[in-house]
Amino acid sequence: KQEVTQIPAALSVPEGENLVLNCSFTDSAIYNLQWFRQDPGKGLTSLLLIQSSQREQTSGRLNASLDKSSGRSTLYIAASQPGDSATYLCAVVPTTSGSRLTFGEGTQLTVNP
Amino acid sequence: GAGVSQSPSNKVTEKGKDVELRCDPISGHTALYWYRQRLGQGLEFLIYFQGNSAPDKSGLPSDRFSAERTGESVSTLTIQRTQQEDSAVYLCASSLAFGNTIYFGEGSWLTVV
Repeated sequence: KQEVTQIPAALSVPEGENLVLNCSFTDSAIYNLQWFRQDPGKGLTSLLLIQSSQREQTSGRLNASLDKSSGRSTLYIAASQPGDSATYLCAVVPTTSGSRLTFGEGTQLTVNP
Repeated sequence: GAGVSQSPSNKVTEKGKDVELRCDPISGHTALYWYRQRLGQGLEFLIYFQGNSAPDKSGLPSDRFSAERTGESVSTLTIQRTQQEDSAVYLCASSLAFGNTIYFGEGSWLTVV
């Protein structure tokens, strides 16, 4: 059974800092990995999708990396802003078609002005 | 539509009543997911549809929960004889196909009193 862990559970940083969020998974047989953000009281917004054959994916100030063999992904946020404050979740898509996405518990990020 | 649409956005119901939650996925999306999120907790997988069939419904917590999808479009999640522990936000998501980027709706907030 796939298990996804995110560390840290919560993070508070001053505005402007670069930061890294971590995601680890137990079964390396994955199709892809996706990063989402969730604002309080809202649904999830997709940030980045990394295919299992890729090493990294970038969108603006966000960069996600994937090391499938070691079961790890990181989300790097450059020059953080207060608007980045949210909960960030990673989700692993298994190789077996028709199977569930498995989510981590998330990292709650607060960027202080 | 432009995004995943869920209704109702909020529902307060008395214990023992039945409720129906509706999800309209993005047009053309064949994959559809239902998740549950209790207050302050992570996402709990309920069921996954590929087209109108459900290859994985192992996450449904009891036989009081059922879901269907018709026309490879709208999905309905039904909870019979609601209990207080059913109080949560129910999130629907869709993707063009298995393994593609997943888009979430804003959720249906259910409170059982």
